[in-house]
Amino acid sequence: DAGVIQSPRHEVTEMGQEVTLRCKPISGHNSLFWYRQTMMRGLELLIYFNNNVPIDDSGMPEDRFSAKMPNASFSTLKIQPSEPRDSAVYFCASSLGLAGIQETQYFGPGTRLLVL
Amino acid sequence: KQEVTQIPAALSVPEGENLVLNCSFTDSAIYNLQWFRQDPGKGLTSLLLIQSSQREQTSGRLNASLDKSSGRSTLYIAASQPGDSATYLCAVRRNTDKLIFGTGTRLQVFP
Repeated sequence: DAGVIQSPRHEVTEMGQEVTLRCKPISGHNSLFWYRQTMMRGLELLIYFNNNVPIDDSGMPEDRFSAKMPNASFSTLKIQPSEPRDSAVYFCASSLGLAGIQETQYFGPGTRLLVL
Repeated sequence: KQEVTQIPAALSVPEGENLVLNCSFTDSAIYNLQWFRQDPGKGLTSLLLIQSSQREQTSGRLNASLDKSSGRSTLYIAASQPGDSATYLCAVRRNTDKLIFGTGTRLQVFP
């Protein structure tokens, strides 16, 4: 398996523009996670899905952020409009997501976002 | 609110030394604890996962211990190598899939 795939790997945009980050989880995994990493705040969970359903979005910072998972093999994280303080590395991770199973999460390489 | 702290924040050692990285958490009601490695510009790689009922896990030169009652975990790296240079993160999980990450220890092992 190719692991968790994220695109783009790097994104530079101007304030006010819409940004869409994409993730393909490992085939067969039922849980998908979006994280944000910054120097100031470290690694924070934004939202996670189980069987394509959002389970916990309490980490989503503002209404400007939205995430979808239309099917088991694809998820998007959208920022509209983007702001300079959104600059960070955004990671997607997936896990088997079986109830009661304490398994590990597998991370993608991340998308490095810079909002000017 | 669960808070996870790692000490030291940075560590620089010569090759061959045995190392101990520390992780502490404020709420002992955890399901498991994981140690990850992050290389510059890369994602996270899981190293070890310790269930709440376990005391330690070993993988090669790595050994992780867990003391739930005191809210502590240690990652022991034996005979360190330059290839071990990376940032090491610990993360705890409660009764959901959410992982709460620590602040990280940036390790540099020089030849």
